Amino acid sequence: GAVVSQHPSWVICKSGTSVKIECRSLDFQATTMFWYRQFPKQSLMLMATSNEGSKATYEQGVEKDKFLINHASLTLSTLTVTSAHPEDSSFYICSARDTRYNQPQHFGDGTRLSIL
Amino acid sequence: DAKTTQPTSMDCAEGRAANLPCNHSTISGNEYVYWYRQIHSQGPQYIIHGLKNNETNEMASLIITEDRKSSTLILPHATLRDTAVYYCIATRNTGNQFYFGTGTSLTVIP
Repeated sequence: GAVVSQHPSWVICKSGTSVKIECRSLDFQATTMFWYRQFPKQSLMLMATSNEGSKATYEQGVEKDKFLINHASLTLSTLTVTSAHPEDSSFYICSARDTRYNQPQHFGDGTRLSIL
Repeated sequence: DAKTTQPTSMDCAEGRAANLPCNHSTISGNEYVYWYRQIHSQGPQYIIHGLKNNETNEMASLIITEDRKSSTLILPHATLRDTAVYYCIATRNTGNQFYFGTGTSLTVIP
């Protein structure tokens, strides 16, 4: 149980395009979802927290107009990297949690984004 | 959330117990200790969490000191597949934001 699916797992696109990453909780309802970024040989960095039906809360230094987060249902959150540039290339990971049942965060397998 | 400190790396012989320490000396009374591991190029995998009592599940045991300032994750019989980076995180259950430290890179040696 507690499976989180992320799609796509790998994407390459040209500089200036926008990229959408989906995060789905497959067998539970995710009242809260989190988005992280991880650069090579570094730890995960929390980007934002989103509660279903509410606007996301972004961590300091993360541009909310650059990284658009939507959490419109209890099973789906999306992260859109707008006008992506090479410095946005990274490993993006989502996690999901049902806060009603004191459940731990469960992570997806990440999306490797490469901007050329 | 309390800062956690872990050794950068550890080795463990296959079949032996792996004991991974974590220091969280500034932990507050309502903060839980969570353990996750990340195998290369995958998302972190939940292992175990606790507040003040020792916990055990099918993957590991978590020993939390009485003053809650440190804890130890125990993998009872390490296998090669346990080679990963292990993260210890202290956070409140409300909100539950995870601020990852650098973790411990565990290498299980045949």
